[in-house]
Amino acid sequence: DIQMTQSPSSLSTSVGDRVTITCRASQTISTYLNWYQQKPGKAPKLLIYAASILHSGVPSRFSGSGSGTDFTLTISSLQPEDFATYYCQQSYTAPPYTFGQGTKLEIK
Amino acid sequence: EVQLVETGGGLIQPGGSLRLSCAASGFIVSNNHMNWVRQAPGKGLEWVSLIYSAGTTYYADSVKGRFTISRDNSKNTLYIQMNSLRAEDTAVYYCARLLAPAGHYAFDIWGHGTMVTVSS
Repeated sequence: DIQMTQSPSSLSTSVGDRVTITCRASQTISTYLNWYQQKPGKAPKLLIYAASILHSGVPSRFSGSGSGTDFTLTISSLQPEDFATYYCQQSYTAPPYTFGQGTKLEIK
Repeated sequence: EVQLVETGGGLIQPGGSLRLSCAASGFIVSNNHMNWVRQAPGKGLEWVSLIYSAGTTYYADSVKGRFTISRDNSKNTLYIQMNSLRAEDTAVYYCARLLAPAGHYAFDIWGHGTMVTVSS
């Protein structure tokens, strides 16, 4: 199975900061990479699919890039509602659809 | 409105069985690829099972032989039958639709989740 590793596991940030989260796959996955946002007690929400395509309704401050094994999720200017946990997930060789371990954005 | 609503969670003893349901509205379950994804307390997301629209099913190794995914087309509902439950199956269980926008599969619709606690 393909393993997904995110870094950092947590990040203390402030409103207005530019934030970058990294996701690395254990083997090449082309651009078969999705990003999700999860707030406490809520279901995950799809943010980005195919590594860089914003899902419907997702604000443009979110962007994704990468291909092969290395991917990034960038939030250009962090808003209060963006404090959450973010997960990457591969769909290249699936099932199983493996997720990263998550990156928690915390208020500094 | 497109929506998924899970029910059936609860407290169950190790070795017991439980069936979770996921009622869909706004779309037809049998025309879509449907999944169960779980999240243990304080942990990350773990894909559990998939039923393709054609009916083919897949399972994570951790539940293979113990869990069975199915659907009832007349009720537009997805199920997962969980047998021989273990403490490590304790989690919030989400149902999720798998869509392929631009040819790349992603979980685009999620239910709110139902908690399963396996404990004596």
